[in-house]
Amino acid sequence: AQSVTQLDSHVSVSEGTPVLLRCNYSSSYSPSLFWYVQHPNKGLQLLLKYTSAATLVKGINGFEAEFKKSETSFHLTKPSAHMSDAAEYFCVVSQITGFQKLVFGTGTRLLVSP
Amino acid sequence: EAGVAQSPRYKIIEKRQSVAFWCNPISGHATLYWYQQILGQGPKLLIQFQNNGVVDDSQLPKDRFSAERLKGVDSTLKIQPAKLEDSAVYLCASSLGESSYEQYFGPGTRLTVT
Repeated sequence: AQSVTQLDSHVSVSEGTPVLLRCNYSSSYSPSLFWYVQHPNKGLQLLLKYTSAATLVKGINGFEAEFKKSETSFHLTKPSAHMSDAAEYFCVVSQITGFQKLVFGTGTRLLVSP
Repeated sequence: EAGVAQSPRYKIIEKRQSVAFWCNPISGHATLYWYQQILGQGPKLLIQFQNNGVVDDSQLPKDRFSAERLKGVDSTLKIQPAKLEDSAVYLCASSLGESSYEQYFGPGTRLTVT
């Protein structure tokens, strides 16, 4: 079965500095991977997805992630944090058993200070 | 385009009481999902519908949880009787179909069982 491990429960950065949220995956075959963001009292929103095309995936709001098969990683990055980036971020792997099934990591809370 | 609608947004009940949540997916979306998100964890899939049929309910505690999607549009999730450990946010999501990777999430219903 597929799974993801988010290596940090909390990440704190200053506004204008780079963001790195780490995710490792486990999959018996080539996975589809996603990052979702959850702002307080709002629904989950898809940031980006990897589905076996380009290994460097660009998403919304300046985020990107790189799929590294040799390291089984799918880390999320952004060159410069903005206050509005403060939220919970989830790394997700798709488990296809007839129908698509998303398996979520435990989440990383990103804190952005002025 | 209207998003996924859920109601109520908040609910407080005592243990052993019953509760129901309602979800209206995005118009035209054939697939509907219910997730449970316990504080500090990622969402966990409870049940997935394709039109009005269940395609995955392997993680639904069927002794107390039930869900239906009459007419293949909106859906209700019921808990009867509730336990303290059912305190969580219940998220509804929808997608165009089983081959569509993007799931659109509603804002969720926060349930507190006392």
